Amino acid sequence: EVQLVESGGGLVQPGGSLRLSCAASGITFSHFAMTWVRQAPGKGLEWVSGISGSGTSAYYADSVKGRFTFSRDNSRDTLFLQMNSLRAEDTAIYYCAKNRDEAVAGTIDYWGQGALVTVSS
Amino acid sequence: DIQMTQSPSSLSASVGDRVTITCRASQSISYYLNWYQQKPGKAPKLLIFTASSLQSGVPSRFSGSGSGTDFSLTISSLQPEDFATYYCQHSYSNPPYTFGQGTKLEIK
Repeated sequence: EVQLVESGGGLVQPGGSLRLSCAASGITFSHFAMTWVRQAPGKGLEWVSGISGSGTSAYYADSVKGRFTFSRDNSRDTLFLQMNSLRAEDTAIYYCAKNRDEAVAGTIDYWGQGALVTVSS
Repeated sequence: DIQMTQSPSSLSASVGDRVTITCRASQSISYYLNWYQQKPGKAPKLLIFTASSLQSGVPSRFSGSGSGTDFSLTISSLQPEDFATYYCQHSYSNPPYTFGQGTKLEIK
């Protein structure tokens, strides 16, 4: 059974930093691209970032480019999203998600339960 | 960036109804279109990928069609558990792989 478990969410002040983690199990982790999607309170889904299976290529939405860094540790089956210079508009539930295959440009087939990030003073 | 526009934004229907939700891309995305269902307080769930392929475990009353810029998701006979919000998303070429704004399906 595929499981994705996010951690590291919480309350942070504007301009602050936070690092989300996502532990995967039930898959051959390095074979799949992975994705972060966020959802602001009461709003729709926003694609944030994607990373290749090897971790050598990562892509970002313009809204987070230069502030967020997506990485993975394939020896620990874990993803990381380092979020710097946080803004109020980054407040959202952040979902870790698995792609169907190695392509970053791919369908998401499994989602974690989400981690809430609140940016507020 | 490719924009995805869903219609309608909300829809009221009854159990047993046939319902269709449409999604339009701002440029051709071939068949690289996915549909997700999200219930309140839950993560989204994949229903349809590459426009018309049914994800394993998804009931056959769900179907998808389309290519190029125009796509649709059809539920042939609504069941009580189908009342949720539905999102389309493209997975074509370069990021960002944008989602539509969502269609909230409510009980009439």
